[in-house]
Amino acid sequence: EDQVTQSPEALRLQEGESSSLNCSYTVSGLRGLFWYRQDPGKGPEFLFTLYSAGEEKEKERLKATLTKKESFLHITAPKPEDSATYLCAVQLGDSSYKLIFGSGTRLLVRP
Amino acid sequence: DAGITQSPRHKVTETGTPVTLRCHQTENHRYMYWYRQDPGHGLRLIHYSYGVKDTDKGEVSDGYSVSRSKTEDFLLTLESATSSQTSVYFCAVPRAGSNNEQFFGPGTRLTVL
Repeated sequence: EDQVTQSPEALRLQEGESSSLNCSYTVSGLRGLFWYRQDPGKGPEFLFTLYSAGEEKEKERLKATLTKKESFLHITAPKPEDSATYLCAVQLGDSSYKLIFGSGTRLLVRP
Repeated sequence: DAGITQSPRHKVTETGTPVTLRCHQTENHRYMYWYRQDPGHGLRLIHYSYGVKDTDKGEVSDGYSVSRSKTEDFLLTLESATSSQTSVYFCAVPRAGSNNEQFFGPGTRLTVL
């Protein structure tokens, strides 16, 4: 069964305290892995797409990496405005292009 | 935001009543998706469409139907709403020129009493 698991469920950091979020997956065929940010009351906002093991993408304080079994979202020197829920999703290799999501990591960055 | 709007944004209804949610896109994209989001479950695919009148089921399709009579609109219908369908519903479409990266609408919060 195709499955995506994110850990931890919740993470509290002090401003400037770097950390990583994990997304592990077991799927029959991977087209791509996606990271989204979601603020309360809003739709998920696209951050990154990773397609192959070893690939890395960066955006401001965020860096996403991919291996054959998991992805990490590294947050360097976070700020309070980075507080949000971070969602990981995998896209299967069939013709539907549909996404399977993890349940997310709620990040709170305290000043 | 890929030109996605959803309506209504909020709705409260009673058990047993029919409800239709609308997703409208302006990018002329072939694929459109309906997801629901519940605490502890993340987003789960309900139905998707790969063209006008072409739809297929997702992982949580029971109790839902969809229709797509024109490219820009994808309708999600709850024939007889139940309390278990209380959720936030999101529509998504791929980025223009790509089938991979999905962009999400603002969501519809549905409460079934």
